[in-house]
Amino acid sequence: TQLLEQSPQFLSIQEGENLTVYCNSSSVFSSLQWYRQEPGEGPVLLVTVVTGGEVKKLKRLTFQFGDARKDSSLHITAAQPGDTGLYLCAGGVSWGKLQFGAGTQVVVTP
Amino acid sequence: NAGVTQTPKFQVLKTGQSMTLQCAQDMNHNSMYWYRQDPGMGLRLIYYSASEGTTDKGEVPNGYNVSRLNKREFSLRLESAAPSQTSVYFCASSGQMLGEQYFGPGTRLTVT
Repeated sequence: TQLLEQSPQFLSIQEGENLTVYCNSSSVFSSLQWYRQEPGEGPVLLVTVVTGGEVKKLKRLTFQFGDARKDSSLHITAAQPGDTGLYLCAGGVSWGKLQFGAGTQVVVTP
Repeated sequence: NAGVTQTPKFQVLKTGQSMTLQCAQDMNHNSMYWYRQDPGMGLRLIYYSASEGTTDKGEVPNGYNVSRLNKREFSLRLESAAPSQTSVYFCASSGQMLGEQYFGPGTRLTVT
């Protein structure tokens, strides 16, 4: 099993602050996806990164895939209460199969 | 579009009882998946179906069986429920090479 470790496990910040969530592994992944999950709901895909060194921006969210395709980060600028949720990274391990990290719970207070 | 639907949303079982969780998708996806989510452990793959007519074990298949009834439907069966199977179960589907998955709302199962 290719393990994905996410850090921190929990992050509580004030509205307007920035935050970064990390996703690390000793294994190479063909792709890396980030999902956000709200209480009582299923995860929702935010982004997929494929190329080593790739950076994608989604409004205030910036995703980066490490050069060696073993790690990724998610940076949120000027966080808002609507960004509260469980952020999950998932690595592509074989055709169609994903290995999920345990998640980072983010709480943004007004 | 409904996307991925799951029934039931909540279920309480006694140890030894059986039940089937239903999942359907209307996105014409080839691949479907069953996961369980436990606190601090992320999503763990139970079984998956790469295409209609095929099923394969995932990371934690013991105590479960699946049926890919047709392209739309993928069911998960617990033959003899155990307290260790208390969890939230998610069904997902995927139709793309990179494996982006679309999840249902989940079934919260408690086994007493």
